[in-house]
Amino acid sequence: EAGVTQFPSHSVIEKGQTVTLRCDPISGHDNLYWYRRVMGKEIKFLLHFVKESKQDESGMPNNRFLAERTGGTYSTLKVQPAELEDSGVYFCASSQDPGQNYGYTFGSGTRLTVV
Amino acid sequence: AQSVTQLDSQVPVFEEAPVELRCNYSSSVSVYLFWYVQYPNQGLQLLLKYLSGSTLVKGINGFEAEFNKSQTSFHLRKPSVHISDTAEYFCAVSETGGGNKLTFGTGTQLKVEL
Repeated sequence: EAGVTQFPSHSVIEKGQTVTLRCDPISGHDNLYWYRRVMGKEIKFLLHFVKESKQDESGMPNNRFLAERTGGTYSTLKVQPAELEDSGVYFCASSQDPGQNYGYTFGSGTRLTVV
Repeated sequence: AQSVTQLDSQVPVFEEAPVELRCNYSSSVSVYLFWYVQYPNQGLQLLLKYLSGSTLVKGINGFEAEFNKSQTSFHLRKPSVHISDTAEYFCAVSETGGGNKLTFGTGTQLKVEL
């Protein structure tokens, strides 16, 4: 089975620009999560989708971040306008059930650099 | 709220030597515990998890971890490491009650040398 796919793998943008990250979860996985790792720090939760609904978005840093999951399939995370502190690695993960019996499958991440 | 502490940011070790990566957590509720590994240019991969039952958990690639509730620890061990174990290791917790969002530690870079 195909894993969780994220693209682009790398993105370098200027402060003030807009960037959209995409995540394709494993087919059939209703649960989709976004995490972010700022350099040298811990990986932090951003939000959780169940199908197309936002189950928990308590980790979203501010209103410059917008996540969508239209149709309950792939998800996008848009940052507009980007700031320097948004730089980091953005991970997406999916799981087939709300419990931890199966765990998550993570994507390889998108490394975002804002200059 | 939970927090996870990985005191060692880097651990150098010679091949075939044993290794222990330390993880301590803090939580006011019951938690599940995990170790993930990230190899260069790859995503996070689950090494092992503790949900309930036996406190000694065995995972992939010969790793194991022991849950110690009194010390709120979940240290990761391997009796003999290989060059291919060079990677970054993350300890994480999630509440047993639901939601399943993970709280991670800052990671430990394991470097295995010849």
